[in-house]
Amino acid sequence: DIQMTQSPSSLSASPGDSVTITCRASQSITTSLNWYQQKPGKAPKLLIYAASSLQSGVPSRFSGSGSGTVFILTITSLQLEDFATYYCQQSYSTLYTFGQGTKLEVK
Amino acid sequence: QLQLQESGPGLVNPSETLSLTCTVSGGSISSSNYYWSWIRQPPEKGLEWVGSIYYSGTTHYNPSLKSRVTMSVDTSKNQFSLKLNSVTAADTAVYFCARITSGWYYFDFWGQGSLVTVSS
Repeated sequence: DIQMTQSPSSLSASPGDSVTITCRASQSITTSLNWYQQKPGKAPKLLIYAASSLQSGVPSRFSGSGSGTVFILTITSLQLEDFATYYCQQSYSTLYTFGQGTKLEVK
Repeated sequence: QLQLQESGPGLVNPSETLSLTCTVSGGSISSSNYYWSWIRQPPEKGLEWVGSIYYSGTTHYNPSLKSRVTMSVDTSKNQFSLKLNSVTAADTAVYFCARITSGWYYFDFWGQGSLVTVSS
């Protein structure tokens, strides 16, 4: 299995701040990395696919970068609706695996 | 707009079989561009991919569950289903159905989720 490790596990920030979340893969996954946002009681929502492609309808304050084993999700000018849990997911292997999640909380 | 909706019992006895169905509306399950998946999330925990199925019936399962999982598809009803046998409390989770878009293989449409509790 390809293990996905996110850091930090939790993060406190204020509206208007910028934050970064890192996802590391246990082996190279080229750019086969997707990011999701999940709010309590809701299904995850696709934000970024193929490491850096913004899903249709997702605000441009979300961006992704990276390749190989290290990937970054950046959120600029945080809005209140951005406080949620974020997951990375690799699609390099058909045994799809997710990171453990990063909870973004209001400071 | 594509919509997915899970249905099935919310309570299953230990050692019995968990059965869920996902009904797809607003699009065809028979499109060659997509796979259909189950993903689960235990309470207060992360996401675990359970398995995926193509409209032709080809399946991929998580090896950690493979011996207990069966997925099937009914194109005439635009539905796909999950059966997980010999369940234990560890199988208690919200079960989501989702669509995978081939190419980059991301989960782009999700159902709202169905909580299944394993308990006697």
